Amino acid sequence: NAGVTQTPKFRVLKTGQSMTLLCAQDMNHEYMYWYRQDPGMGLRLIHYSVGEGTTAKGEVPDGYNVSRLKKQNFLLGLESAAPSQTSVYFCASSPTGFIQPQHFGDGTRLSIL
Amino acid sequence: SQQGEEDPQALSIQEGENATMNCSYKTSINNLQWYRQNSGRGLVHLILIRSNEREKHSGRLRVTLDTSKKSSSLLITASRAADTASYFCATEYGSNYKLTFGKGTLLTVNP
Repeated sequence: NAGVTQTPKFRVLKTGQSMTLLCAQDMNHEYMYWYRQDPGMGLRLIHYSVGEGTTAKGEVPDGYNVSRLKKQNFLLGLESAAPSQTSVYFCASSPTGFIQPQHFGDGTRLSIL
Repeated sequence: SQQGEEDPQALSIQEGENATMNCSYKTSINNLQWYRQNSGRGLVHLILIRSNEREKHSGRLRVTLDTSKKSSSLLITASRAADTASYFCATEYGSNYKLTFGKGTLLTVNP
């Protein structure tokens, strides 16, 4: 039982390049989330999903897109990376959204030059 | 935006001492959660306390919630070097099924 797995763990991009971060969970959770964590800023919600085929915007969605084609996977895409998107990205999941703890992956460290 | 704010930002103590961290928030909540993050790792859920609860315990952890003051505290008793980590409070409010995280308290427990 791996929980929440994020790939890749590290990545360096050049400005303007695109990439996709993958999050996979094996707990049959309905809800999945993408956060970014910057120094001194805590975690900020980018996008989230309340079930397969659904997505919704969080606090800082600009510059990102997401897809939830399968219940166990939640993809975060950067179409044209910018230096401001240098951050640590965390994926999380929960059984449902209401009064439930979230389970986190170990993050993807993304640097954009 | 609605956000929990932890206090202090950093705390350094000796092994065996108790550590207390506080969290304040702005509007009524459904529940408040505490998470721990070790360096270079993801967040790990510690305790969830509902808005109608006042205190919860889990091992060496004790969480209190005062909805009249819109504040919560996390107490770690008999701390160990392995408790060194950042601790975050997160609040859930309304019906949007989202958590809003504070900026965290960095706890250092010296051997």
